[in-house]
Amino acid sequence: AQSVTQLDSQVPVFEEAPVELRCNYSSSVSVYLFWYVQYPNQGLQLLLKYLSGSTLVKGINGFEAEFNKSQTSFHLRKPSVHISDTAEYFCAVVTSGTYKYIFGTGTRLKVLA
Amino acid sequence: SQTIHQWPATLVQPVGSPLSLECTVEGTSNPNLYWYRQAAGRGLQLLFYSVGIGQISSEVPQNLSASRPQDRQFILSSKKLLLSDSGFYLCASSGGPYNEQFFGPGTRLTVL
Repeated sequence: AQSVTQLDSQVPVFEEAPVELRCNYSSSVSVYLFWYVQYPNQGLQLLLKYLSGSTLVKGINGFEAEFNKSQTSFHLRKPSVHISDTAEYFCAVVTSGTYKYIFGTGTRLKVLA
Repeated sequence: SQTIHQWPATLVQPVGSPLSLECTVEGTSNPNLYWYRQAAGRGLQLLFYSVGIGQISSEVPQNLSASRPQDRQFILSSKKLLLSDSGFYLCASSGGPYNEQFFGPGTRLTVL
C-alpha cells in the first residue's frame, strides 16, 4: 500500500533563511505528487504538483520541489522564507490507476523574526 | 477553478445523535469527490471518495457513511455519533484522478 512520510512535524526557521521540508513516499508504481499549504484558520490550497516531465517543479510563493524517483522523495524548498510562510504543509501522493490521495501527517513551519 | 461549499462551519452534537454534513461543488461537472478527517498531528485521513452519482468507496470502517445523490453534492452521515467522531471534516473535489484537489472550508464537529 502506498504511504507518505513527513519526518519533521515542526520546523522553526528564522526569517530570510532557507528551508527544506522533507517528504518520502512508498509505491511500486508510477505516482503523482503534490504539496498543499494550510495557513492558520484557512483551508488547504495547492502549492505545486509533479505529474511528469522535469523533476524540478516550481510553485506559488517562491516554493519549489524536486522529484527524486531513486530516493522516492519529493522535498519542498524555499531559498528565503518570510513570516507569512508560517503554515502547515502537507505532502500528498496519488498512485497511477487509483483515485485515492494519500496525505502525510504534515509539517508545521514556523518562521521566526 | 472550483468552489467547494461546506456547512455548517461548526457543530456540537450529543453522543448518539445523527449527523448530516453537506458539501456542494461549483465550477465543474462530474468531479471526483472526497471526505477527509483532519486530526492534529495525523494529517488528512481519507474517509470516502466518489467518482460518480451513487458510487461510494469507503476507506476506513467506522460509524460514518457517505452518499452522492447529485453530481455535485456529497453528504457525510451518521445514525449515532460517538465521542471518537469529533474532528475537523473536509470535503474536496478533483476534476480528474491526478488533478489538483480543491478543498472546502471544513466543519469542526464536537461530540459531547
